[in-house]
Amino acid sequence: AQSVSQHNHHVILSEAASLELGCNYSYGGTVNLFWYVQYPGQHLQLLLKYFSGDPLVKGIKGFEAEFIKSKFSFNLRKPSVQWSDTAEYFCAVLTSGTYKYIFGTGTRLKVLA
Amino acid sequence: EAGVAQSPRYKIIEKRQSVAFWCNPISGHATLYWYQQILGQGPKLLIQFQNNGVVDDSQLPKDRFSAERLKGVDSTLKIQPAKLEDSAVYLCASSFLGTSGTGNEQFFGPGTRLTVL
Repeated sequence: AQSVSQHNHHVILSEAASLELGCNYSYGGTVNLFWYVQYPGQHLQLLLKYFSGDPLVKGIKGFEAEFIKSKFSFNLRKPSVQWSDTAEYFCAVLTSGTYKYIFGTGTRLKVLA
Repeated sequence: EAGVAQSPRYKIIEKRQSVAFWCNPISGHATLYWYQQILGQGPKLLIQFQNNGVVDDSQLPKDRFSAERLKGVDSTLKIQPAKLEDSAVYLCASSFLGTSGTGNEQFFGPGTRLTVL
């Protein structure tokens, strides 16, 4: 069955530390890939998205993600986190053909000031 | 641009009671999604509409859950009768398109937190 794995469930970092959150998916066809973020008390919102072209995608607030097709991965990165990045981060995949959205279980990031 | 609206925001019911949630998507968005998010898990798709037709309801427990999208705009999700394990946040999302390419990112509402006692 198609699935999305986020390996880190809880991450705690100090401000200015670098961030990398892992995301792997299992689907052999064409995919669109997303990272969504949910800040405390707010709605889920789009952070960045890949659907074609340059596999390195830049999103809002200095986040970026790289699609590595051979590894079925779409890891999220930020060189220097801020306290305001404290949130829950969800990786999602939209599969071609069935156009089914599948979300990972989420990573809860806490940044210490 | 107004966002996705959902009501109610919170609901507490006893098991075996019924409950309904309402969603108003962003104007012009053809695709509407209902998700169930249990604490500590990612959103699980319950049903996806394209205009007023169902695209995917494979994970909807049809013995107790039902959903409709009248006139391709607003949507309601109903649970009847509710079970303890239905306690979760029910999210509604919409997108301009539901297919590959541009315009398929989802916009989420605030969710309805359901507690079944």
